[in-house]
Amino acid sequence: GEDVEQSLFLSVREGDSSVINCTYTDSSSTYLYWYKQEPGAGLQLLTYIFSNMDMKQDQRLTVLLNKKDKHLSLRIADTQTGDSAIYFCAETARYNFNKFYFGSGTKLNVKP
Amino acid sequence: DTEVTQTPKHLVMGMTNKKSLKCEQHMGHRAMYWYKQKAKKPPELMFVYSYEKLSINESVPSRFSPECPNSSLLNLHLHALQPEDSALYLCASSQEGRARGNTIYFGEGSWLTVV
Repeated sequence: GEDVEQSLFLSVREGDSSVINCTYTDSSSTYLYWYKQEPGAGLQLLTYIFSNMDMKQDQRLTVLLNKKDKHLSLRIADTQTGDSAIYFCAETARYNFNKFYFGSGTKLNVKP
Repeated sequence: DTEVTQTPKHLVMGMTNKKSLKCEQHMGHRAMYWYKQKAKKPPELMFVYSYEKLSINESVPSRFSPECPNSSLLNLHLHALQPEDSALYLCASSQEGRARGNTIYFGEGSWLTVV
């Protein structure tokens, strides 16, 4: 099946930029997603990118997609302590768009 | 409104109990999901309902029984669970269709503890 990989931890200082990386295996993925999960809460959709795009910007968030390397990244500008959470990237299955595969999640720690 | 509502938020049950988790969405979505999430792990898909019909069952044990009474409601009936079933159970919903991004929206989850 599909395999989505992320590094487990990232620590940054408040005000710096954060870059969370993800690699995926299914080159036919139509959409790729970033979700945020705060402690004790559900998953919040942050943004998604269509596979024919290279970049998408939404306020402090920038998503970069390198289809050749199957690499997805999420950049958070001016990171705040409220951004501390686990970030999951996800892709949809090749033959069933109702089936989502999640990465292992990257825990972002923002230090004051 | 992108809200998926789950009840109860917390549930403690014994191994011989029967209980249910409930989920509701009013976004007109036609696909609804149950995911299970253990601590520090990504969500794992359990079931998918599409147009009120069960379309995916990820080989989930029969002690978990899903039900979709209508397009807005999704239940998960629990019976004879094991302590290892303790987890966060997430409900989600999405629009159907291959022609556009099938963005999935999650509820806040129900924390289940089996004692």
